[in-house]
Amino acid sequence: KNQVEQSPQSLIILEGKNCTLQCNYTVSPFSNLRWYKQDTGRGPVSLTIMTFSENTKSNGRYTATLDADTKQSSLHITASQLSDSASYICVVKDTGNQFYFGTGTSLTVIP
Amino acid sequence: NAGVTQTPKFQVLKTGQSMTLQCAQDMNHNSMYWYRQDPGMGLRLIYYSASEGTTDKGEVPNGYNVSRLNKREFSLRLESAAPSQTSVYFCASSEGGLAGGVQYFGPGTRLTVT
Repeated sequence: KNQVEQSPQSLIILEGKNCTLQCNYTVSPFSNLRWYKQDTGRGPVSLTIMTFSENTKSNGRYTATLDADTKQSSLHITASQLSDSASYICVVKDTGNQFYFGTGTSLTVIP
Repeated sequence: NAGVTQTPKFQVLKTGQSMTLQCAQDMNHNSMYWYRQDPGMGLRLIYYSASEGTTDKGEVPNGYNVSRLNKREFSLRLESAAPSQTSVYFCASSEGGLAGGVQYFGPGTRLTVT
């Protein structure tokens, strides 16, 4: 069964610290993997999209990695800010018309 | 550019009532999508439209109908609302279709069915 699992479910960190969120998937055949940031009460906003051949992609303080062999991805946030408090969603697309969404990691950054 | 806009922002319906959720994008995107988001579950695709004039079912289409009115607008209709359709509904659009490209999401419609 195609699934996307994210961990941890929630995370609290101090402002200025780094953190890493994990995404494991079983989706096959794989097309691409996306990370979204969703602020409370808002729609998701795309952070990165990675295809099979890409193993790292950055967007400012956000760096996503992909290991297609082990079917794992991570999202690393550097020097966290209060505005990073949000839910981070991992999405994997197969080669057909299916998107598989994780349930998200809820990140809270405290001063 | 407003991006993707959705109306209404909030709605309360009684079981059996009907309503249409409106979505519009001003980015000249070919593809548009309707998702629902429930607590503890990931976003689930209801319907999508790869291009003007075409619509296809997603993962959870039962109880919904859609219309791609033109390139800008994609509406979602609930003919006879049920409590199980209480959810947050997001519309999205993308340039490149399902194969790739960034999806841009609207702010969502929070629907409660009593």
